[in-house]
Amino acid sequence: NAGVTQTPKFQVLKTGQSMTLQCAQDMNHEYMSWYRQDPGMGLRLIHYSVGAGITDQGEVPNGYNVSRSTTEDFPLRLLSAAPSQTSVYFCASSFGQDEAFFGQGTRLTVV
Amino acid sequence: RKEVEQDPGPFNVPEGATVAFNCTYSNSASQSFFWYRQDCRKEPKLLMSVYSSGNEDGRFTAQLNRASQYISLLIRDSKLSDSATYLCVVNDYKLSFGAGTTVTVRA
Repeated sequence: NAGVTQTPKFQVLKTGQSMTLQCAQDMNHEYMSWYRQDPGMGLRLIHYSVGAGITDQGEVPNGYNVSRSTTEDFPLRLLSAAPSQTSVYFCASSFGQDEAFFGQGTRLTVV
Repeated sequence: RKEVEQDPGPFNVPEGATVAFNCTYSNSASQSFFWYRQDCRKEPKLLMSVYSSGNEDGRFTAQLNRASQYISLLIRDSKLSDSATYLCVVNDYKLSFGAGTTVTVRA
């Protein structure tokens, strides 16, 4: 049982490049979500999903796309990276109102 | 008004001290509450769930006050290793996070 697997752990992008952050969970959780965390700040919700085929925007969705084709996977796509997207990204999943499980995070730098 | 608000601190306490802080939530129908610990922007890890009757796990005690819509965390006999950011989480089938309370325990 791997829990929530998030890749990559570190990434450096040039401005304008695109990339996909991967998130997978093997706990059959229906709820999955992506957050960014900037220095000195809390977790801010980017996008979330309550099940396969269903996604919705969070607090800071601009510049990011998501899809949920399977229960297990919830990738986050950066369409055209900007320095303002330099951050630490976390994926989380949960079942019902149970505790949330987090991936190890992706430290992204956009230069 | 934010869904979940926390006292940001920082709380700077000596080893052995007791420290307590609160988290307020806006949805009176919320049923599911947790405290997480986060170290240096690593992934948050579950510290404890918060039950209606309150619960204790070693030196940590969590309480829920439904009338005033807040949960609390109390740390007794603080250790250096308790230094971290503590996140309040409400799960209404959608996760809501507080911004975190920073605790620093000094020798």
